[in-house]
Amino acid sequence: AQSVTQLDSHVSVSEGTPVLLRCNYSSSYSPSLFWYVQHPNKGLQLLLKYTSAATLVKGINGFEAEFKKSETSFHLTKPSAHMSDAAEYFCVVSEDNFNKFYFGSGTKLNVKP
Amino acid sequence: EPEVTQTPSHQVTQMGQEVILRCVPISNHLYFYWYRQILGQKVEFLVSFYNNEISEKSEIFDDQFSVERPDGSNFTLKIRSTKLEDSAMYFCAGTGWDTVNTEAFFGQGTRLTVV
Repeated sequence: AQSVTQLDSHVSVSEGTPVLLRCNYSSSYSPSLFWYVQHPNKGLQLLLKYTSAATLVKGINGFEAEFKKSETSFHLTKPSAHMSDAAEYFCVVSEDNFNKFYFGSGTKLNVKP
Repeated sequence: EPEVTQTPSHQVTQMGQEVILRCVPISNHLYFYWYRQILGQKVEFLVSFYNNEISEKSEIFDDQFSVERPDGSNFTLKIRSTKLEDSAMYFCAGTGWDTVNTEAFFGQGTRLTVV
């Protein structure tokens, strides 16, 4: 069975400090992994994806994530938070040959001035 | 950049009424999905659609739900007789020719409120 666990429902950081949003997954197959961001009243925007190529994936807006198979993790990081990063972030997994996506419960990121 | 468009952004309906949620996917996409997120809960898969038929559906997607793509552009989700528990944000999504290793493009969602 597939599942995605986002370990923190809320994360609060100060502007200019690093961001770490944690995600662990379980999958019976070789997964593809994604991070999406949702700003208020907006759709889900893709930040980055892992699809069995490089384990360190760079995305938009300075975000990156590292796929660690031994830890079944795909944590999202950013060296320096910006106020505009305040949003909800979803870790998502999809499997080979299955045309559906499994969502984590989301992490709300708050960025303090 | 191409985007998925959903209408309306917010729909309020009375329990027992039918609602149709509309989506215009990206034009060259082939696989389409509906997801929903009840307030405070995870985003849940409802149904996937390919080649004018349902390819997979979840246990949530019972006989009250239906999907169609009547004119090759709009992709609709119909709920025949809404219940209070159908209140949620509904997201439409699409992917291209390769569902493996391909991200889904999501619309901005329709917030359905059943009263």
